[in-house]
Amino acid sequence: GAGVSQSPRYKVAKRGQDVALRCDPISGHVSLFWYQQALGQGPEFLTYFQNEAQLDKSGLPSDRFFAERPEGSVSTLKIQRTQQEDSAVYLCASSPRAAWLAGTTDTQYFGPGTRLTVL
Amino acid sequence: DAKTTQPPSMDCAEGRAANLPCNHSTISGNEYVYWYRQIHSQGPQYIIHGLKNNETNEMASLIITEDRKSSTLILPHATLRDTAVYYCIVRSSNFNKFYFGSGTKLNVKP
Repeated sequence: GAGVSQSPRYKVAKRGQDVALRCDPISGHVSLFWYQQALGQGPEFLTYFQNEAQLDKSGLPSDRFFAERPEGSVSTLKIQRTQQEDSAVYLCASSPRAAWLAGTTDTQYFGPGTRLTVL
Repeated sequence: DAKTTQPPSMDCAEGRAANLPCNHSTISGNEYVYWYRQIHSQGPQYIIHGLKNNETNEMASLIITEDRKSSTLILPHATLRDTAVYYCIVRSSNFNKFYFGSGTKLNVKP
């Protein structure tokens, strides 16, 4: 079956522009995660959804970052008024069950990421 | 708040075992250690995970010290396709988050 897909794969934005990054998780997966990966660094957690509920947004770096998953499937990460420091790869991951229910049993399946470059 | 420390890079000869170390001295009693790898321009790929017992699967083995402050990922017979960045990760106790470190770039050489 299809894995996690993300679009666009590459995005170039001028400073101050708004961007929207899309994630299509594996069909039926309850949990969805967003990560930010700066060049040469490991991914850093941004936010977590259980179905349509955003249960953890502690990693969002500022109020310019907003994520949604209105129908519990596709998710969008929106960045308003982009800054140069927002340049990074944004990774989406999904897993079959709710995190608290699955515990350590379910692993996270990652998409290929969207590389955002802010000029 | 980095929870893991790994060497930035390692070399390994093709066909030999690759042993990748990780320190996680502040790990809590109910936090698991996961290993993922990331090949250039791809998303991270799951390898293995464990709590306190050693684990083995078709890809690798995970050795966790008794005090749980460090672990070692072992690729028994490294191939050129194993060249990647390997991340040692502590998973939060509420299972919502993975804390990635900076990873180890493993270079497998012919």
